[in-house]
Amino acid sequence: GESVGLHLPTLSVQEGDNSIINCAYSNSASDYFIWYKQESGKGPQFIIDIRSNMDKRQGQRVTVLLNKTVKHLSLQIAATQPGDSAVYFCAENPLGSGYALNFGKGTSLLVTP
Amino acid sequence: SQTIHQWPATLVQPVGSPLSLECTVEGTSNPNLYWYRQAAGRGLQLLFYSVGIGQISSEVPQNLSASRPQDRQFILSSKKLLLSDSGFYLCAGSLRGRPEAFFGQGTRLTVV
Repeated sequence: GESVGLHLPTLSVQEGDNSIINCAYSNSASDYFIWYKQESGKGPQFIIDIRSNMDKRQGQRVTVLLNKTVKHLSLQIAATQPGDSAVYFCAENPLGSGYALNFGKGTSLLVTP
Repeated sequence: SQTIHQWPATLVQPVGSPLSLECTVEGTSNPNLYWYRQAAGRGLQLLFYSVGIGQISSEVPQNLSASRPQDRQFILSSKKLLLSDSGFYLCAGSLRGRPEAFFGQGTRLTVV
């Protein structure tokens, strides 16, 4: 079946470096994507979203890129900090699917000093 | 802003015992509500969602059930827990017409 998945289960970066977390999706009908951050033992927190009519969106230290041609989504974190260590999930909302988001498995980001 | 309150934070229950996890929403009315389960090292699996009082949709067949007795209250239940019901349960909500979900802090359930 169609699903959202991630290329890498873990990512280790040095403090101050930029991080890139990737996500592949297979549902071409998806019109909305979100990145969530989940710290250990807590619920996911919204980071940034993007609609399918855009290919880039920037927030504070984060940028989401959407490539609809290859169905690929990425989250870029600039100047990664220790507080960025968490699991990052991408989620999609397929157009016409109803209400619930479909989540990928997550990438664990570890920031080392 | 919208807030999901979920309790308890951790719960250890014996096999065969009943379960009731409660979730309440603040800061909005008439939200869509969701129960997700997260296994260790895995993504979020949607269990139930509700678009209104008494309206429950189940995404997967399982040992669990959900109810929405009030607009801002969502309950996850089981009559008899199984070992496989262990996991991290997350309640979430979303505003009408908006797909992005806001989450509670989760309940870590261990069935022993």
